[in-house]
Amino acid sequence: KNEVEQSPQNLTAQEGEFITINCSYSVGISALHWLQQHPGGGIVSLFMLSSGKKKHGRLIATINIQEKHSSLHITASHPRDSAVYICAVRVQGAQKLVFGQGTRLTINP
Amino acid sequence: GAVVSQHPSWVICKSGTSVKIECRSLDFQATTMFWYRQFPKQSLMLMATSNEGSKATYEQGVEKDKFLINHASLTLSTLTVTSAHPEDSSFYICSARALGHHAKNIQYFGAGTRLSVL
Repeated sequence: KNEVEQSPQNLTAQEGEFITINCSYSVGISALHWLQQHPGGGIVSLFMLSSGKKKHGRLIATINIQEKHSSLHITASHPRDSAVYICAVRVQGAQKLVFGQGTRLTINP
Repeated sequence: GAVVSQHPSWVICKSGTSVKIECRSLDFQATTMFWYRQFPKQSLMLMATSNEGSKATYEQGVEKDKFLINHASLTLSTLTVTSAHPEDSSFYICSARALGHHAKNIQYFGAGTRLSVL
């Protein structure tokens, strides 16, 4: 079993829908990242969380440390949000990130 | 926001040649840089971690003599794929962690380099 599990693996929705991507992890962490990778490959760091909730534009990220779970929400989704969204955690005491397998999101107009 | 520049973005080379990929942090100092490899439709796989001025730490199964990493300054790390073979064809991504308490632990990623070895 992977240390970081994301669901769903693939998600297709219509423009305007509210999107939720989930991430569960099984190790103690010092931080959790949500990343976005577009078809060209480049990766953008969306959020880094260690507790609570963060919001940036239409994106909201939450984390529950006790339940070892995080969610990424997209409100009023748009075709340009189509990308792979990756959850990554920094294990306590370690430098490196452990990545989830990614969620491929497609928003149709 | 912080920017990591990776160059080249795409390279094609003949089997047996060496390829150097550069990773620069443009507006911040990076004490630690990470090199990842990504196969199609798979997640990132950490190859090595490099700290400025010291030898890189390679992950298990990654050949240090084949993938040479140099982190000579706080803004530049290079990955050299030596004697490249077709099985080295992949997408290589670097990441830099910012120095400074306000940006502590945030990693910024380069745009990646697609390597095709013929």
